[in-house]
Amino acid sequence: DTGVSQNPRHKITKRGQNVTFRCDPISEHNRLYWYRQTLGQGPEFLTYFQNEAQLEKSRLLSDRFSAERPKGSFSTLEIQRTEQGDSAMYLCASRTDGVPEAFFGQGTRLTVV
Amino acid sequence: DAKTTQPNSMESNEEEPVHLPCNHSTISGTDYIHWYRQLPSQGPEYVIHGLTSNVNNRMASLAIAEDRKSSTLILHRATLRDAAVYYCILSQLAGGTSYGKLTFGQGTILTVHP
Repeated sequence: DTGVSQNPRHKITKRGQNVTFRCDPISEHNRLYWYRQTLGQGPEFLTYFQNEAQLEKSRLLSDRFSAERPKGSFSTLEIQRTEQGDSAMYLCASRTDGVPEAFFGQGTRLTVV
Repeated sequence: DAKTTQPNSMESNEEEPVHLPCNHSTISGTDYIHWYRQLPSQGPEYVIHGLTSNVNNRMASLAIAEDRKSSTLILHRATLRDAAVYYCILSQLAGGTSYGKLTFGQGTILTVHP
């Protein structure tokens, strides 16, 4: 297993465009988390899934953000009508029940110009 | 989520021990203490966790105060590769099976000098 994989690693988009990121968790990890991190700050929780069910969403997650995890495997995070304030590193993590360790991907860096 | 307080930054010399403190005065009885670190341009990685007793693993040791209101992450011999942001996080074990989401603060930036 190669760990949590995120694609793309970098994305530059124009303001107002839609973007979609993908996260492939470690196989058989039933819990998947999305975080956003801006420069100099710790990661901020956005949302998490247990299998295919989205169980919690942060108030940070505006209506322009949507996440899915069909079939409880990979997950996608879509941002519609991007704004410059959306520029950040988007991190995905996965873990399995009973194990404290969450494994993070290397993130997708979004730049909105 | 219970809050943690860490120094903004610390410095160390290579091959010396490093003690990274964390205060969590509002910790509840079911909160586990987790430490993660984030190397430059990487996602966070798990370091260690504990509940009440001190813990050791290949990366570090975790010393937990008797009243659990503070803890210390100990790197026994710092290397240049240990330069990172270290996060102290409280997380509950829900239903005895799953740890809750991780809520990160700003962490401690550790600089290691050669």
